Amino acid sequence: AQSVTQLGSHVSVSEGALVLLRCNYSSSVPPYLFWYVQYPNQGLQLLLKYTSAATLVKGINGFEAEFKKSETSFHLTKPSAHMSDAAEYFCAVKESGGSNYKLTFGKGTLLTVNP
Amino acid sequence: ETGVTQTPRHLVMGMTNKKSLKCEQHLGHNAMYWYKQSAKKPLELMFVYNFKEQTENNSVPSRFSPECPNSSHLFLHLHTLQPEDSALYLCASSQEGGSAYNEQFFGPGTRLTVL
Repeated sequence: AQSVTQLGSHVSVSEGALVLLRCNYSSSVPPYLFWYVQYPNQGLQLLLKYTSAATLVKGINGFEAEFKKSETSFHLTKPSAHMSDAAEYFCAVKESGGSNYKLTFGKGTLLTVNP
Repeated sequence: ETGVTQTPRHLVMGMTNKKSLKCEQHLGHNAMYWYKQSAKKPLELMFVYNFKEQTENNSVPSRFSPECPNSSHLFLHLHTLQPEDSALYLCASSQEGGSAYNEQFFGPGTRLTVL
């Protein structure tokens, strides 16, 4: 079964600083990888997904992630944090099984942005 | 309405009550999911429906009873719940059977409190 590890349950950055949220997945070919964001009292919203077309994936709100097969990583970055980025971020991997494609989520990383 | 909607958004119930959560997707998808999100725990997949057929039940207690009358609607019937069942219940939908890169779309969730 697939698994996802998010290093750091809580990351705190200053406004304008680099955001780096880490995600490592268990090895599989091909991996289907996703980043979701959850704002308080809301559901999950897709930030970006890896589709094998390019190793650097650009998403919404200025976020991007780089797929590194050698490191089994799919870390999420944003060059300059904004107060509105404060939320919980989830990395997820999709596995195929029978007629279903199940998403396995990491435990999430809570991002706080300090003024 | 667009996307995935869930009602009610908040629900408080006693352990002897019977209530139902409703989810509706307006995306024309063929798969629907129930997740449980508890504090400090990863998202837990509860049930999967594909073309109205239940294809996954992750050892969920029988006090949770799902129903999928058609591919757009999903219910979660609740009875004799326990306080530890208090959580955010998220519904999601996706289009499966084609690209494995298709993401799941989430509703805003129902915040359930069991007294």
